[in-house]
Amino acid sequence: EPEVTQTPSHQVTQMGQEVILRCVPISNHLYFYWYRQILGQKVEFLVSFYNNEISEKSEIFDDQFSVERPDGSNFTLKIRSTKLEDSAMYFCASENRASTDTQYFGPGTRLTVL
Amino acid sequence: QKEVEQNSGPLSVPEGAIASLNCTYSDRGSQSFFWYRQYSGKSPELIMSIYSNGDKEDGRFTAQLNKASQYVSLLIRDSQPSDSATYLCAVYKDSGYALNFGKGTSLLVTP
Repeated sequence: EPEVTQTPSHQVTQMGQEVILRCVPISNHLYFYWYRQILGQKVEFLVSFYNNEISEKSEIFDDQFSVERPDGSNFTLKIRSTKLEDSAMYFCASENRASTDTQYFGPGTRLTVL
Repeated sequence: QKEVEQNSGPLSVPEGAIASLNCTYSDRGSQSFFWYRQYSGKSPELIMSIYSNGDKEDGRFTAQLNKASQYVSLLIRDSQPSDSATYLCAVYKDSGYALNFGKGTSLLVTP
């Protein structure tokens, strides 16, 4: 069964450094999402992406964040200058809205900012 | 701020019993409702979606929706220890397709 993959599984970085989290959505999906979950808290929406542009973003997704689909398979989330409070699990999700409204989540990247 | 509220639990039920998980939402315009399961340290996995008032059954799971009361529930029949997880209720944020999750209810099924 096709699945969303994410790399790396765990990223440790120093405050102020840039990180790029990578996702490979399911191949025939056209809608892509990033969510995050701070330890012990709820899953929070960051951004959605369709047709090579952002379709929705939350108040969390400020100028420090950006997303890109650099090629036909990868979907990336960049955090320009990480803060301690960016430490969280980051989930990528993809969806084929033509056939179903199920968002399939990847296994997540645990980001630790020191 | 549009809210999705769930009792955090833990809800403890014996194996074989029915587990009942509840969720309320604040946006009266919400039309689509989702139940996800999240095992500890893992990503959310969709169990069921429901759009119309009433019940929707899928195997041991039944979702119930009451839009007038802004209430959605999930029943798990014949609960198994493998059902022990956190159950997340979600609705679409605003008019788009981003999911607004509740904090989840922790379910523990004891053998």
